[in-house]
Amino acid sequence: EAGVVQSPRYKIIEKKQPVAFWCNPISGHNTLYWYLQNLGQGPELLIRYENEEAVDDSQLPKDRFSAERLKGVDSTLKIQPAELGDSAVYLCASSSPTDTTDTQYFGPGTRLTVL
Amino acid sequence: AQSVTQLGSHVSVSEGALVLLRCNYSSSVPPYLFWYVQYPNQGLQLLLKYTTGATLVKGINGFEAEFKKSETSFHLTKPSAHMSDAAEYFCAVSGSGTYKYIFGTGTRLKVLA
Repeated sequence: EAGVVQSPRYKIIEKKQPVAFWCNPISGHNTLYWYLQNLGQGPELLIRYENEEAVDDSQLPKDRFSAERLKGVDSTLKIQPAELGDSAVYLCASSSPTDTTDTQYFGPGTRLTVL
Repeated sequence: AQSVTQLGSHVSVSEGALVLLRCNYSSSVPPYLFWYVQYPNQGLQLLLKYTTGATLVKGINGFEAEFKKSETSFHLTKPSAHMSDAAEYFCAVSGSGTYKYIFGTGTRLKVLA
């Protein structure tokens, strides 16, 4: 079974530029999460989707961050414009609708560097 | 509300020695507890989890953890460290019936030859 797929793995951009990250969850997992992981820290939830609906986006900085999951499968997280402080790893995770413990499975992440 | 404290941001052990990584949690509801491992430039891999039932949980790669409610702890152990165990380890808590993970700040394990 394929795991969570993310691309790109690495991205370097200039500040004020836009950037987008893509995630494809494990097949059959209808819940998808985006996390932000700063250096030396644990991941922090940005947004959670149930199918195509964003059911928790309370931690997403909506002035510059946006996300979509149009067909309830893969998802895109966008930053526009990027700031220096956005340099971090962006992790995607998914969980199965049949797992009552909501165990989350993570992708390899996208490491963003903003210059 | 939930929170997690991982004692020791860096732990060094000799190859073949006992590994003990500490995690204490607080939770206003019965907790689900998780340990994840993160190798350099990779995502988080689930090592083990406690949800209900047996309090001693066995995971992959020879790791295990014991849920101690009275001590609000979920420490991770492995009897004999291997060089390949060098990585960062994260403890996480969620409340039963909720999905929201709260992660600790991580413990970087170094294994000395």
